[in-house]
Order: sequence, then structure tokens, then C-alpha cells
Amino acid sequence: AAGVIQSPRHLIKEKRETATLKCYPIPRHDTVYWYQQGPGQDPQFLISFYEKMQSDKGSIPDRFSAQQFSDYHSELNMSSLELGDSALYFCASSFSEHETGELFFGEGSRLTVL
Amino acid sequence: AQTVTQSQPEMSVQEAETVTLSCTYDTSESNYYLFWYKQPPSRQMILVIRQEAYKQQNATENRFSVNFQKAAKSFSLKISDSQLGDTAMYFCAFMKSNTGNQFYFGTGTSLTVIP
Repeated sequence: AAGVIQSPRHLIKEKRETATLKCYPIPRHDTVYWYQQGPGQDPQFLISFYEKMQSDKGSIPDRFSAQQFSDYHSELNMSSLELGDSALYFCASSFSEHETGELFFGEGSRLTVL
Repeated sequence: AQTVTQSQPEMSVQEAETVTLSCTYDTSESNYYLFWYKQPPSRQMILVIRQEAYKQQNATENRFSVNFQKAAKSFSLKISDSQLGDTAMYFCAFMKSNTGNQFYFGTGTSLTVIP
């Protein structure tokens, strides 16, 4: 079965550079979530989209922005990167009409800021 | 705001034994979803078990079962016949609804299964 696809899997950037992470949800899933997980930390919610509209917003820095496109894929744009942005970024998707509410996670994109 | 608390940062269990991981949460919602996710060293989050708050019956998934106490806002995970492959970080999670609302994670419990 198709899973949530994230790209790139690994990314190395310098401070003050820009990075873009992509997420392709499971087909027919209408909801996408972005999470940031620092080393040894629990995942921190950044932002979510439902039917291409921002649904909920968490601890996403102003330097970050995200959107969901017409094909339901989502991109997380991170500018003016800081050392503290080094983390594993997870995307997850779900289908709102599934009564279970389960989130399906991608394998994550590991961002290293030097 | 919703909060999820896991009071056991680390636990260990002997292979084939049973272990229970604790989770409590705080919410004013009457209907919601609760989950246990497993994150092995490979890092991908994998669903272990889920529970809808309106269902009184505790969810069971093979060796995994939950003790859901809605009034006490408690949602513990019991792993029976522990296997080496169960070694992972376990996160309890809460979701208000399934239309893009935030999915709240607890701080996690690192479980080690000892041979």
C-alpha cells in the first residue's frame, strides 16, 4: 500500500539558508500535518492543512511557512535557518472520513543546519 | 488546551513478560481519539493501537491492549509477551477530531526489552 512520501530524506544547509521539504500524502487523504522532532524530544506540532486550507497552527516559527497544493501534497518552507532548526521533520496524513482518526507518518526528513 | 503526560521516561521489561506504560491527558472535549505510537530506532512512527473516546470497550490489538478510563482521563498501554522488537520509544497521543486538528503527543516512554 502507498505510504506518506517525504523528500528529501536528508538535507544539509548552512545558517541563514533556505530549505524546502515536501510531503506527498497517501492517495485520497485530505489532511496533512507537519511535526518537528529535535534529538531526544517528542514531536512538536507545527501546522496542519485540511482540504488545502490551514486547519491548525502550533509552534511554527515565523520564518517557516507551509501550504497544501491542489494535488494535496504539501511543502514546508524554512528560511533564515538557525542551528536550532536541525531536527527530524515528519509529515503525516489522514482521511477525515475515517472514523479512526489515525495519522499515517512518513519516514521524516532530517535537516542538519551547520 | 490539551495536554498529554507520560510519567515514565524509561522502562524495561524481560522478554516474554508483560509491561504497562502509563498515559494521562487533560481535555474538556467529550469526544476525541487516543493513540499509542511506536518509534523504533528506524525513526518512523508506527501506530500501535487506537481508541475512540465514545467507545467504552478497551481496544485490543494482538499483544497490545489499553486500559481506557475516561473519567480518570487515563489511557495506559499493556504489552503482553514482550518481544525484542518491541524495544522503541512509545508515544501516547490525543486528537480532538480528524479534520486537521492538532495531534498532541506525550513526551514518550523509552521501552527496552531485555533478552
